[in-house]
Amino acid sequence: KAGVTQTPRYLIKTRGQQVTLSCSPISGHRSVSWYQQTPGQGLQFLFEYFSETQRNKGNFPGRFSGRQFSNSRSEMNVSTLELGDSALYLCASAGEAGEPTFRSYEQYFGPGTRLTVT
Amino acid sequence: QKEVEQNSGPLSVPEGAIASLNCTYSDRGSQSFFWYRQYSGKSPELIMSIYSNGDKEDGRFTAQLNKASQYVSLLIRDSQPSDSATYLCAVVFNQAGTALIFGKGTTLSVSS
Repeated sequence: KAGVTQTPRYLIKTRGQQVTLSCSPISGHRSVSWYQQTPGQGLQFLFEYFSETQRNKGNFPGRFSGRQFSNSRSEMNVSTLELGDSALYLCASAGEAGEPTFRSYEQYFGPGTRLTVT
Repeated sequence: QKEVEQNSGPLSVPEGAIASLNCTYSDRGSQSFFWYRQYSGKSPELIMSIYSNGDKEDGRFTAQLNKASQYVSLLIRDSQPSDSATYLCAVVFNQAGTALIFGKGTTLSVSS
């Protein structure tokens, strides 16, 4: 199976702009989670979507939002960009229908989108 | 707020030695635990999952879980230079979903 794909791989934006990142999960996976990775804070959970519904949300401001489509593809949006939003944004998918419950927690990551805010 | 703690390292071991990586977590109700490996400039890669107390072995990797002590560890036997990476410990955010809370990772360096 093809892995998780993310587009674009690199982005440079200016403070105040907004950005949309895209994630296509592994075929058959229904859950998509988004994470922000920075050298200082490590990997931090943003939000999780399952069947087009936000199932969990991390501790990030409302400028960060996301959605999931009926084909499980997901997008995240960051509005009014700040310098501190510069990070690697990772998406991960999990949860194939019919697999054992414990297996559904195993997440597989995409290559990430490197966002630089200037 | 769930927390996952790891020593940041670096942990340096010679080739062929056993590397021992440790992780503690704050939520006593946590049920699912994972180890990811992340090479510099790459995304995290799942290497082990463990759900029950005790040991789970997969090749050169052994994960150990002690829920009473809220402690998870990863042993890498016969360490190779290719094992040099950052190892991330993760627990499930809550059992109603698959989102993960990560520790900040331990950097392992294996010298030849």
